[in-house]
Amino acid sequence: EVQLVESGGGLVQPGGSLRVSCEVSRFVFINSWMAWVRQAPGKGLEWVGNINPDGHVTGYMDSVKGRFTISRDNGKNSLYLQMNSLRAEDTAVYYCVKDWGWHTFDFWGQGTRVTVSS
Amino acid sequence: QSVLTQPPSASGSPGQSVAISCTGTSSDVGGYNYVSWYQQHPGKAPKLLISEVYKRPSGVPDRFSGSKYANTATLTVSGLQAEDEADYYCISYAGGNDVALGGGTKLTVL
Repeated sequence: EVQLVESGGGLVQPGGSLRVSCEVSRFVFINSWMAWVRQAPGKGLEWVGNINPDGHVTGYMDSVKGRFTISRDNGKNSLYLQMNSLRAEDTAVYYCVKDWGWHTFDFWGQGTRVTVSS
Repeated sequence: QSVLTQPPSASGSPGQSVAISCTGTSSDVGGYNYVSWYQQHPGKAPKLLISEVYKRPSGVPDRFSGSKYANTATLTVSGLQAEDEADYYCISYAGGNDVALGGGTKLTVL
């Protein structure tokens, strides 16, 4: 069974930084596009950004450009989301997702909660 | 990131059929056959139900079906069951690295 396990969420003050991680297993990570999708409390899904298999190509939603960075370590089957200059509106559950292609997300992690508050 | 229009709510009785629409533009839903649908139960992660407009991944009951006409995609749930009560989201490829997401529909089984 494919597994994606996020970690690293928590409470952070506005303006602070946080890095969340996602460890994957039971699929060929090195061949897969990956993405982060978030969901604010009581709200819908938002695509945060994605990364190609070799890690050299990334894309982001406008509101996080310049603040968030997605990276990966294929040797560790891991995906990362570095979040800087955090704002209250970044408060959400962050899901690590496998992108099958054309923004079709076939496997999801359980999510990690990030709360930005003073 | 574009926004697709979904009705905020839908409902039906057990055994009935319910259709949930997802309306975009010719730049997303209407332009590509890469519309996917997701089911999310409270407190759980979303789960892929339909890919490429109408394709069901292994394990998804055939009560769930997808279709598309012009700029509107539709998810139909037939033979409603209590466990179908959940939030449903549509997502569409929108060219390049662009994506469009629906705001979600809360399905209630009466």
